[in-house]
Amino acid sequence: QQQVKQSPQSLIVQKGGIPIINCAYENTAFDYFPWYQQFPGKGPALLIAIRPDVSEKKEGRFTISFNKSAKQFSLHIMDSQPGDSATYFCAAGWGKLQFGAGTQVVVTP
Amino acid sequence: DTAVSQTPKYLVTQMGNDKSIKCEQNLGHDTMYWYKQDSKKFLKIMFSYNNKELIINETVPNRFSPKSPDKAHLNLHINSLELGDSAVYFCATQSGGHEQFFGPGTRLTVL
Repeated sequence: QQQVKQSPQSLIVQKGGIPIINCAYENTAFDYFPWYQQFPGKGPALLIAIRPDVSEKKEGRFTISFNKSAKQFSLHIMDSQPGDSATYFCAAGWGKLQFGAGTQVVVTP
Repeated sequence: DTAVSQTPKYLVTQMGNDKSIKCEQNLGHDTMYWYKQDSKKFLKIMFSYNNKELIINETVPNRFSPKSPDKAHLNLHINSLELGDSAVYFCATQSGGHEQFFGPGTRLTVL
């Protein structure tokens, strides 16, 4: 049973576009919602994370939007660049993390 | 200096063999994990250790046995390898907060 559902599975945008990845969770006890970025042949690396008492967080070109009542959160990549092409994972938890299935993002030049 | 390292990076072996993957961290974190990433890139937690004690075992077959000789190391031993064990295995550590730091992964191919 997957506790964190992520969509879409893949996404292609042109340079400068704004890929948006959505995640939904079920367990209201979750209190930590990170996004990880993974390049081919590498381990996932933390990109940005949010706690449920905040509705939005920005770090550089990456923004998390969080909707506690809907139990949903999303990642927006502003002014996307070809170097952002990677697989992105959302996760949720309070210690142990439950990961979404991942979204492969391709940013074309 | 690599924070979380794994050896080997690639492992190709025959069905039925026994193999080990090693993980070492220099971050001083108390909690360490093993994850399995399948061909569809789905990340699934296998085990978690806190201060050398097993705290999570996610219904992994008992052919998989983690061992933590000290806080800086968490090794994964796999007996009687099967085709379905082919995957990328990641070691990760967790800080006092929630942030997890992943190693570079070990790609295991069982022939």
